[in-house]
Amino acid sequence: KQEVTQIPAALSVPEGENLVLNCSFTDSAIYNLQWFRQDPGKGLTSLLLIQSSQREQTSGRLNASLDKSSGRSTLYIAASQPGDSATYLCAAYQMYSGGGADGLTFGKGTHLIIQP
Amino acid sequence: DTGVSQDPRHKITKRGQNVTFRCDPISEHNRLYWYRQTLGQGPEFLTYFQNEAQLEKSRLLSDRFSAERPKGSFSTLEIQRTEQGDSAMYLCASSFGGSSYEQYFGPGTRLTVT
Repeated sequence: KQEVTQIPAALSVPEGENLVLNCSFTDSAIYNLQWFRQDPGKGLTSLLLIQSSQREQTSGRLNASLDKSSGRSTLYIAASQPGDSATYLCAAYQMYSGGGADGLTFGKGTHLIIQP
Repeated sequence: DTGVSQDPRHKITKRGQNVTFRCDPISEHNRLYWYRQTLGQGPEFLTYFQNEAQLEKSRLLSDRFSAERPKGSFSTLEIQRTEQGDSAMYLCASSFGGSSYEQYFGPGTRLTVT
């Protein structure tokens, strides 16, 4: 059974800093890995998706990397802004032969606060 | 707005009542997923559909829960005889099978059972 762990659980940094959020997963047989942002009481916004054959993806100030062999992914946020304050979730997606799947397995998230 | 929509956004019900939630996926997406999220936790997978077929169900989906996706379009999730432990955010997501399977989430339905 896939398990996803995110470290740290919470992070507070001054505006302008670069930061790294960590995600680890126990079963390396993933199809893809997604990073999401969730604002309080809201749904999830997809930030980046990395296919199992890829090593990294970039979108603006965000860069996500994937190392399947070690079961790790990182989300790098450059030049953080107060508007980046949210909970960041990573989730692993696995598919089985025949196309079956169990949906995404999520970590508990990293609660990020960017101080103005 | 062409994103995933959910209705209602909030639902307060008394223990023992039945509730039904609706999810409208992105129109060209053939896969639809339901998740449940409690405070401080990541979402947990409940079930998913490919077109109108329900292909997987989590052990979290007790007999009181039922989901449908008639004609492969919108989906409903019904909870019968609600319990206080059912209080959570119910999230729906959709994806297009055959590509990246990137999942797009709706705003969720917040259920409070009193």
